[in-house]
Amino acid sequence: EPEVTQTPSHQVTQMGQEVILRCVPISNHLYFYWYRQILGQKVEFLVSFYNNEISEKSEIFDDQFSVERPDGSNFTLKIRSTKLEDSAMYFCASSRPGGREQFFGPGTRLTVL
Amino acid sequence: QKEVEQNSGPLSVPEGAIASLNCTYSDRGSQSFFWYRQYSGKSPELIMSIYSNGDKEDGRFTAQLNKASQYVSLLIRDSQPSDSATYLCAVNPYAGNNRKLIWGLGTSLAVNP
Repeated sequence: EPEVTQTPSHQVTQMGQEVILRCVPISNHLYFYWYRQILGQKVEFLVSFYNNEISEKSEIFDDQFSVERPDGSNFTLKIRSTKLEDSAMYFCASSRPGGREQFFGPGTRLTVL
Repeated sequence: QKEVEQNSGPLSVPEGAIASLNCTYSDRGSQSFFWYRQYSGKSPELIMSIYSNGDKEDGRFTAQLNKASQYVSLLIRDSQPSDSATYLCAVNPYAGNNRKLIWGLGTSLAVNP
């Protein structure tokens, strides 16, 4: 069964550094999402992406964040200057055309020191 | 502020029993409701989606939706130790193509052999 994949599984970085988290959505899906979950807290929506543009973004998704679909398969989340509070699990998800269900990848654990 | 509330638990049931998990949401116009299972340190895994009032069954799982009471529940029949996890309720309270999900904190379920 097709799955969303994410790399790396764990990223450690210094405060102020840039990180890029990578995702490969399910191949025939057209809607893509990033969520994050700080340890012990709720899953939080960051951004949704459709037709090569952002369709929705949350208050968390400020100028430090950006998303890109650089080719036909990858979907990336960039954090330009990481802060300690960016430490979290970051999940990529995707939905098929016309579908409302969102399928999640295994996540990237980001640790900012 | 759009909210999703769940009893954090832990909910403890014996193996073979029915586990009942509940979720309430604040936005009366919500249209899409999802139950995800999350094992510790892992990503959310979609179990059930429900969009209309009433019951929806899939194997040992039944989702129940009551829009008038703004309440959605998940029943797990014949609970197994492998069902021990945190169950997350997620709601899309937006109209149109906005697919942002609002999440509860989750209910921790322990199934005792």
